[in-house]
Amino acid sequence: QKEVEQNSGPLSVPEGAIASLNCTYSDRGSQSFFWYRQYSGKSPELIMFIYSNGDKEDGRFTAQLNKASQYVSLLIRDSQPSDSATYLCAVRGAQKLVFGQGTRLTINP
Amino acid sequence: DAGVIQSPRHEVTEMGQEVTLRCKPISGHDYLFWYRQTMMRGLELLIYFNNNVPIDDSGMPEDRFSAKMPNASFSTLKIQPSEPRDSAVYFCASSNRDQETQYFGPGTRLLVL
Repeated sequence: QKEVEQNSGPLSVPEGAIASLNCTYSDRGSQSFFWYRQYSGKSPELIMFIYSNGDKEDGRFTAQLNKASQYVSLLIRDSQPSDSATYLCAVRGAQKLVFGQGTRLTINP
Repeated sequence: DAGVIQSPRHEVTEMGQEVTLRCKPISGHDYLFWYRQTMMRGLELLIYFNNNVPIDDSGMPEDRFSAKMPNASFSTLKIQPSEPRDSAVYFCASSNRDQETQYFGPGTRLLVL
């Protein structure tokens, strides 16, 4: 079992809709959870992090964490074509950050 | 702030040649990370340094790979000899002491023929 798992997609969402990205992790001791966005040919950039169970909102983005289920999600409201990218879930274990394979998201105008 | 700087941005070399990738972290950051990204394996951590000292090199694929950080503003990742399966994008990232928010450089696209 991979340490951090994501559906590779592609996930196609119409413009203006809500995009939902999911991630599961295997290490129950993980404390910190991150979502990075990576445009094609570019480097990953951090868009959100979450430490506690529940929801964390930042503009159009909401991160959700459920430690009991070992599940992290990212919701993007009012999706825009500029949100089309690969979204990487990352989980901080004892020492280092472990990344999932990423989910490719396409927003259709 | 200039961000994390990597060079070269692109490298094409032949199998068996030595390849050296370079990274300048963000000033004041204590942690430096080297990652490799491929379609098959995603983003993998190769090695990371804290205050110029290697902390975890368990991700380094084999002895052909080596990394150094002689000072707080410079690190190298060397592959000798290179092989076609080393073709990937290599990212350098840095963070401050909490290790949480990592800032990535633009990456080096390596192609080994």
